[in-house]
Amino acid sequence: GDSVTQMEGPVTLSEEAFLTINCTYTATGYPSLFWYVQYPGEGLQLLLKATKADDKGSNKGFEATYRKETTSFHLEKGSVQVSDSAVYFCALRHNQGGKLIFGQGTELSVKP
Amino acid sequence: ETGVTQTPRHLVMGMTNKKSLKCEQHLGHNAMYWYKQSAKKPLELMFVYSLEERVENNSVPSRFSPECPNSSHLFLHLHTLQPEDSALYLCASSSSQARGNTIYFGEGSWLTVV
Repeated sequence: GDSVTQMEGPVTLSEEAFLTINCTYTATGYPSLFWYVQYPGEGLQLLLKATKADDKGSNKGFEATYRKETTSFHLEKGSVQVSDSAVYFCALRHNQGGKLIFGQGTELSVKP
Repeated sequence: ETGVTQTPRHLVMGMTNKKSLKCEQHLGHNAMYWYKQSAKKPLELMFVYSLEERVENNSVPSRFSPECPNSSHLFLHLHTLQPEDSALYLCASSSSQARGNTIYFGEGSWLTVV
């Protein structure tokens, strides 16, 4: 079946460091890919998405590129801030409905 | 501000109580979901409603009973819960027709069973 695998956390970085959170997936066909973020005590918010191969999703300085050849959707940010501390979830979903399949989440902690 | 609103945000209930979680979406979507998020466990899809019909029920115990009276509202009725049911319950909605359609989540209802 379809699945999403994320790098394990927690990830601890200093402010202004470069961030990469790895995400790889297993799926038939061409799913859409998503990154969600969950700030402490809150629900999930969509961070960015990509719907086809080579698409790049971006938002709030975060980017991820849909790589079909490596089945990956790694999340990157050039300079993290303390306010980016949260849990990040990679997910996939087949078009025209279907389940949203999540990775296990990666906790990011950014220190001043 | 989220287009998916959940109430209450926090609920403490005894194992013999009956309570309900409410979800309302203001996005014009036609599909709604309940997810459970427990500490140290992956997000679990509990129920899916599409056009007010339940289309998925992932082996959820009968002490959880969903209700979808219309496309904008979703309830999760709770009765005789166990302490291990303590978790964050997330409601979500989406439009089921568009390609790459996004699922939008509410802020969740924190449930503690004592």
